Amino acid sequence: NAGVMQNPRHLVRRRGQEARLRCSPMKGHSHVYWYRQLPEEGLKFMVYLQKENIIDESGMPKERFSAEFPKEGPSILRIQQVVRGDSAAYFCASSPMTGTKDEQYFGPGTRLTVT
Amino acid sequence: AQSVAQPEDQVNVAEGNPLTVKCTYSVSGNPYLFWYVQYPNRGLQFLLKYITGDNLVKGSYGFEAEFNKSQTSFHLKKPSALVSDSALYFCAVRDQAGTALIFGKGTTLSVSS
Repeated sequence: NAGVMQNPRHLVRRRGQEARLRCSPMKGHSHVYWYRQLPEEGLKFMVYLQKENIIDESGMPKERFSAEFPKEGPSILRIQQVVRGDSAAYFCASSPMTGTKDEQYFGPGTRLTVT
Repeated sequence: AQSVAQPEDQVNVAEGNPLTVKCTYSVSGNPYLFWYVQYPNRGLQFLLKYITGDNLVKGSYGFEAEFNKSQTSFHLKKPSALVSDSALYFCAVRDQAGTALIFGKGTTLSVSS
């Protein structure tokens, strides 16, 4: 059973460009979470999605950031007009169902560098 | 608001000695607590969780954690450390909505041979 897949693993963008980060959850998992890890900090929740629905986006910056999880294909985190402060590791996690008892399984992350 | 604190940025232990990585939490209601480990340039790997029941939880790679409600702590322990245990360890609590995990800042464990 393949784990959570993320691509690309490393992404370099110039200021003002768009970044697209992809996440394929584990087989059988329909719940996807995105987290951001800034240098020297723990992971911060960004958004929680189910297929075709955004359930909780309380951690998403109000501007430039968006996420989707279409019926077919991976979940995508999109950052428009990137700035240097967006440089971070972005992790996707999935779970088979939502609930306080269930652990989340993490992908290897995408390391975004904005130059 | 829910929160997690890991008071030590770094823990140094000699191989073969017991290790403890500390975690305290603040929640309203029942806490659902997790430990994850992160190796360099890798994602987080789940180690163990406390939901209810026995205060001593056993997990992967010989790790265990002790839940203490009165001290609001969930310390990670291992009787005999290995050099390969050297990594970044995160404690997390589930938020009230049951969606996000709220992470501590992490503790770097360094095991010397």
